[in-house]
Amino acid sequence: EAGVVQSPRYKIIEKKQPVAFWCNPISGHNTLYWYRQNLGQGPELLIRYENEEAVDDSQLPKDRFSAERLKGVDSTLKIQPAELGDSAVYLCASSLVEGWLNEQFFGPGTRLTVL
Amino acid sequence: AQTVTQSQPEMSVQEAETVTLSCTYDTSESDYYLFWYKQPPSRQMILVIRQEAYKQQNATENRFSVNFQKAAKSFSLKISDSQLGDAAMYFCAYRGGTYKYIFGTGTRLKVLA
Repeated sequence: EAGVVQSPRYKIIEKKQPVAFWCNPISGHNTLYWYRQNLGQGPELLIRYENEEAVDDSQLPKDRFSAERLKGVDSTLKIQPAELGDSAVYLCASSLVEGWLNEQFFGPGTRLTVL
Repeated sequence: AQTVTQSQPEMSVQEAETVTLSCTYDTSESDYYLFWYKQPPSRQMILVIRQEAYKQQNATENRFSVNFQKAAKSFSLKISDSQLGDAAMYFCAYRGGTYKYIFGTGTRLKVLA
């Protein structure tokens, strides 16, 4: 079974440029998470989807970040315009919610460098 | 709000020895899960072990075991017979009723040959 796929793995852009990250979750997983992981820190949730619905986006900086999950499968996270402080690893995770059991499976992440 | 604290930024252990990584958390919820995740240098996080708060018995997965002290809100990870492949960042995580995961800042484990 294929794991969570993310692309690109690395991205270098200049500040004020737009950037997009793509995530393909494990087949059948209805919940998808986007996290930001700063250097030396743990992941911080940006947004969580249940199917197509964003059920928790309280940590998403909505002035420059946007996300979508069309048809409840793939998801895209966008930053426009990027700032220097956005340099981080962006992780995608997915899970299948069955009652309380909710094990997350993570993708390899996208390392973003903003110059 | 829930918080997770890992007070050991870095730990070292000799190969074949035992090491314990500490984690404390704060919550007002009675039902929750606690997790330890491993993140090797390649960055992909993988689940090491999970503990349900309502279970008194400590979880064990091969060489990995936890010491779960609910009253003290402590959740430490013990790695026995440490191997070179255990070297990684280890994150403690909390998940309550909202399915939101809260991660600690991580402990970097070095395994010395």
